[in-house]
Amino acid sequence: KNQVEQSPQSLIILEGKNCTLQCNYTVSPFSNLRWYKQDTGRGPVSLTIMTFSENTKSNGRYTATLDADTKQSSLHITASQLSDSASYICVVSASRGGADGLTFGKGTHLIIQP
Amino acid sequence: KAGVTQTPRYLIKTRGQQVTLSCSPISGHRSVSWYQQTPGQGLQFLFEYFSETQRNKGNFPGRFSGRQFSNSRSEMNVSTLELGDSALYLCASSQMLGAGEKLFFGSGTQLSVL
Repeated sequence: KNQVEQSPQSLIILEGKNCTLQCNYTVSPFSNLRWYKQDTGRGPVSLTIMTFSENTKSNGRYTATLDADTKQSSLHITASQLSDSASYICVVSASRGGADGLTFGKGTHLIIQP
Repeated sequence: KAGVTQTPRYLIKTRGQQVTLSCSPISGHRSVSWYQQTPGQGLQFLFEYFSETQRNKGNFPGRFSGRQFSNSRSEMNVSTLELGDSALYLCASSQMLGAGEKLFFGSGTQLSVL
């Protein structure tokens, strides 16, 4: 069964600090891994999409890494800001079909304190 | 370019009623997918439409149905509402159907069943 596990479930850090969120997956066959940011009461917004051959991708202060051998990904946030408070969802896509091939993690709830 | 628009934003219904949710995709996008999001389960795939045809379906009972119109707008319907149907319902659009397509989510419809 395809699964995506994220850790930690929740995290509180001070503004200006860095943090790293983890995503482990067992999805086969693998197509791509996505990180989304979801603000409270809003829909998820795509941060990065990585395929098998990519091991790092950045989007501003967000840097995602992918290790396809160990089936692990991380999302690193540098110099956190209050606006980074949100849920971060890891989504892995199987290389078949459409949206039915997506497996969603339950997310990490990040709170940035001033 | 306008984003994905979902209406209404909030709905309160009672058990046994039915509800219809609407989703207008980004102009030019032909694929629309629907998801249920609850705090305990995270995001779960409901169904996906492309060119007015349901292409994929998640593991939900037949009370959940949908359709897509010729202008790519989509609706989903839930009949005989149950308390457990209380959730945030999200739709997402993409240009085409496929595992590699980038999804753009709407802000969702928050459904409360009393």
